[in-house]
Amino acid sequence: EVQLLESGGGLVQPGGSLRLSCAASGFTFRTYVMNWVRQAPGKGLEWVSGISVSGASTYYADSVKGRFTISRDNSKNTLYLQMNSLRAEDTAVYYCETGGGTSYYSYYGLDVWGQGTTVTVSS
Amino acid sequence: DVVMTQSPLSLPVTLGQPASISCRSSQSLEHSDGNTYLNWFQQRPGQSPRRLIYKVSNRDSGVPDRFSGSGSGTDFTLKISRVEAEDVGVYYCMQGTHWPPITFGQGTRLEIK
Repeated sequence: EVQLLESGGGLVQPGGSLRLSCAASGFTFRTYVMNWVRQAPGKGLEWVSGISVSGASTYYADSVKGRFTISRDNSKNTLYLQMNSLRAEDTAVYYCETGGGTSYYSYYGLDVWGQGTTVTVSS
Repeated sequence: DVVMTQSPLSLPVTLGQPASISCRSSQSLEHSDGNTYLNWFQQRPGQSPRRLIYKVSNRDSGVPDRFSGSGSGTDFTLKISRVEAEDVGVYYCMQGTHWPPITFGQGTRLEIK
């Protein structure tokens, strides 16, 4: 079964840190660009960060640049998001997602989302 | 970044009736490779998003054929031929042509009248 499973969310104080993980199974993880997408309570979807298949190239939304770091370990089929200097506005459900809808996949790209992990930043 | 604008934002529909959602991009989504990477997602209440349509008009596996996508350039449409109760949720368009970043529309909430 094709699956992404996020973990690592929780309640953290402003200024704190969390590390999210996303474990992939059922597909060839090393051939997929990967994204983190978040959804604040009652709001829409917001792209947070993306990473190339090798991990050599990383991309960030302006709102998290300099605070978040995306990485991957293809030997472990796992994607990570290190989140530092957290703010109240980072409160959201964080999803990992295969970048199957991007121009990297000119024929067809599998699109899979995890179940999400909740990050709450509050004192 | 490409801005995606959806309308309407709220869509009450009678069961069995058609529904249509519009999505406009701030610049053309036609890629230099000739493809247009416009995707549609459905998010049912309490669930993760699920892709329905990729490259404007291609249905993902398992998506009922009452869902269809069309459009080109900057104007795109998702149509549901006959709305069923399981279609309730929020629908998002997303562009993958000019990535990074991928960008989403604001979402259209479909409800049953």
